[in-house]
Amino acid sequence: EIVLTQSPGTLSLSPGERATLSCRASQSLGAYLAWYQQKPGQAPRLLIYGASSRATGIPGRFSGSGSGTDFTLTISRLEPEDFAVYYCQQYGSSPQTFGLGTKVQIK
Amino acid sequence: DVQLLESGGGLVEPGGSLRLSCAASGFTFSNYAMGWVRQTPGEGLECVSPMSATGGTAYYADSVKGRFTISRENSQNTLYLQMNSLTVEDTAVYYCVRYNDAWYSPHPIDYWGQGTLVTVSS
Repeated sequence: EIVLTQSPGTLSLSPGERATLSCRASQSLGAYLAWYQQKPGQAPRLLIYGASSRATGIPGRFSGSGSGTDFTLTISRLEPEDFAVYYCQQYGSSPQTFGLGTKVQIK
Repeated sequence: DVQLLESGGGLVEPGGSLRLSCAASGFTFSNYAMGWVRQTPGEGLECVSPMSATGGTAYYADSVKGRFTISRENSQNTLYLQMNSLTVEDTAVYYCVRYNDAWYSPHPIDYWGQGTLVTVSS
């Protein structure tokens, strides 16, 4: 089973600042990595797939990069609605697995 | 719009059974792989069981293998999860999910339902 390690666990930032979230895999994933956003009481929402492709309707301030074992989600300028928990998921190998998440909170 | 509506969650005693349902709308159900993902505060997100669009192929997490069975009725746009021999470790929010292809691997989840809570407790 591929283990995904997300860091940091919590990120405290102000609106307008840049957020950089990391996801490291225990084995190479190629580009089979997705990022999801989850707000309290809601289901996760797909942001990025294929490591760097934005899902339908996702604003341009969200970008993904990386390949192999190291991946990054960047939010260029945080909007108030971006404060949430972010999960990475690998879907290239069964079982598909998720990281434990990074919480982006208001500083 | 894609909609996934779960039902069937609730409180059940250890050793009991539940059947979850997911009613899908807004897309051609028979063209997409579907599955169940659960979430707990302690363990996070876990892919319980995905199934291919035709229903011919499925996968089960080791934690549920032999106890849970996924199925789908494409004529009714409905996905099911039969859960037997439930334990307290199965307590979670269960999400119905859609994969963005007829196969679940290697493809991401592109839509999630709102989830249904399953509580296993005596």
